[in-house]
Amino acid sequence: DAKTTQPPSMDCAEGRAANLPCNHSTISGNEYVYWYRQIHSQGPQYIIHGLKNNETNEMASLIITEDRKSSTLILPHATLRDTAVYYCIVSLTAGTALIFGKGTTLSVSS
Amino acid sequence: EPEVTQTPSHQVTQMGQEVILRCVPISNHLYFYWYRQILGQKVEFLVSFYNNEISEKSEIFDDQFSVERPDGSNFTLKIRSTKLEDSAMYFCASIPILLAGGENEQFFGPGTRLTVL
Repeated sequence: DAKTTQPPSMDCAEGRAANLPCNHSTISGNEYVYWYRQIHSQGPQYIIHGLKNNETNEMASLIITEDRKSSTLILPHATLRDTAVYYCIVSLTAGTALIFGKGTTLSVSS
Repeated sequence: EPEVTQTPSHQVTQMGQEVILRCVPISNHLYFYWYRQILGQKVEFLVSFYNNEISEKSEIFDDQFSVERPDGSNFTLKIRSTKLEDSAMYFCASIPILLAGGENEQFFGPGTRLTVL
């Protein structure tokens, strides 16, 4: 079973920041937090990952709390194309099997 | 940008028939995976494959399933005798090499929709 808990759905206005939370209270010290998204029925797409420090790339930012029990994915300026299911996954490395939960369905509207 | 490709995009078969789903991973990738997603449900891991061997498999991956890398490019999933409940999207994924530091994003293909009648 997935080791993460996410809200089932969220809404965001186009151009605004989308903040997607994830709880992973049982994460162990050497496990990473990965975020993937799935647009419609396409294959999942990697977004970002982190261990302890906050991370940023061209797609998003990842904020991990100091105790590592939760994290937030931030899409700084959401667009309609960001409408998707977002998955938060805890894993030793992404080389191991990814265990997907139900994710958060983000709906971006104009 | 290189990408994982899968064929066919949609496969319709009769219950009890054998199907082979094909994937062409990114050319320098060494680790390969199959996942499935039943309509409206979670993405589920089936199997991982490295160096011509299964590395890990889930409870779903029973004797009806097999994987093969018949040549240097294709990676196949065979379902020996399909059941109605095998109807799902099947995704192939790959990574180049296992790196330390979590730097191992899995690259997913677009999927094959399998419909068993």
